[in-house]
Amino acid sequence: AQTVTQSQPEMSVQEAETVTLSCTYDTSENNYYLFWYKQPPSRQMILVIRQEAYKQQNATENRFSVNFQKAAKSFSLKISDSQLGDTAMYFCAFMTSLGMNSGGYQKVTFGTGTKLQVIP
Amino acid sequence: DVKVTQSSRYLVKRTGEKVFLECVQDMDHENMFWYRQDPGLGLRLIYFSYDVKMKEKGDIPEGYSVSREKKERFSLILESASTNQTSMYLCASRTDPGQLFFSGNTIYFGEGSWLTVV
Repeated sequence: AQTVTQSQPEMSVQEAETVTLSCTYDTSENNYYLFWYKQPPSRQMILVIRQEAYKQQNATENRFSVNFQKAAKSFSLKISDSQLGDTAMYFCAFMTSLGMNSGGYQKVTFGTGTKLQVIP
Repeated sequence: DVKVTQSSRYLVKRTGEKVFLECVQDMDHENMFWYRQDPGLGLRLIYFSYDVKMKEKGDIPEGYSVSREKKERFSLILESASTNQTSMYLCASRTDPGQLFFSGNTIYFGEGSWLTVV
């Protein structure tokens, strides 16, 4: 079974500083996607960034970047120049195909989340 | 933009009642999901549907059922609500061209439905 672990339930960072959120996962699959989702107080889940497992280059979206270490099964999110609007719950997620015996469907597993507070 | 709409944002129901949570997406997505979100537990998959009238159990299907009669609509049903089903329920959808890797692969979420069972 796939598992996703976020070991930091809560974190805080000063505005304009950099923060890194950790995520590790466990799978025997070789092909998968990894995602970071953000859930602000409004509760709307928003995609922050995604990474295909076959790509060695780390994904980057403006101030957000990942450090993808496939051998270590690690997928951390770095937020640079933190802004007050970054205050949210952040979820790491993992998507893979279940395999043809299960219909070949893609299943998504989420971590327990990290609550990030950006301090003015 | 993809729109996933959950018709009820806040519900209060009594123990034993039958509860329907409705979700509609407007992008012709094949896959739809129901998750529940609880503090410290993250998002846990209840059921997902890969096509009309097709469904698969997720990690915590007990006490729930689902219905997908039309492609755009995926309903979560609590046959007899219990207090331990008090939670936030999130619906999501994604397109599925039959392969894992494709441009734009992501999951789109609704705004959530807060259910309190008393």
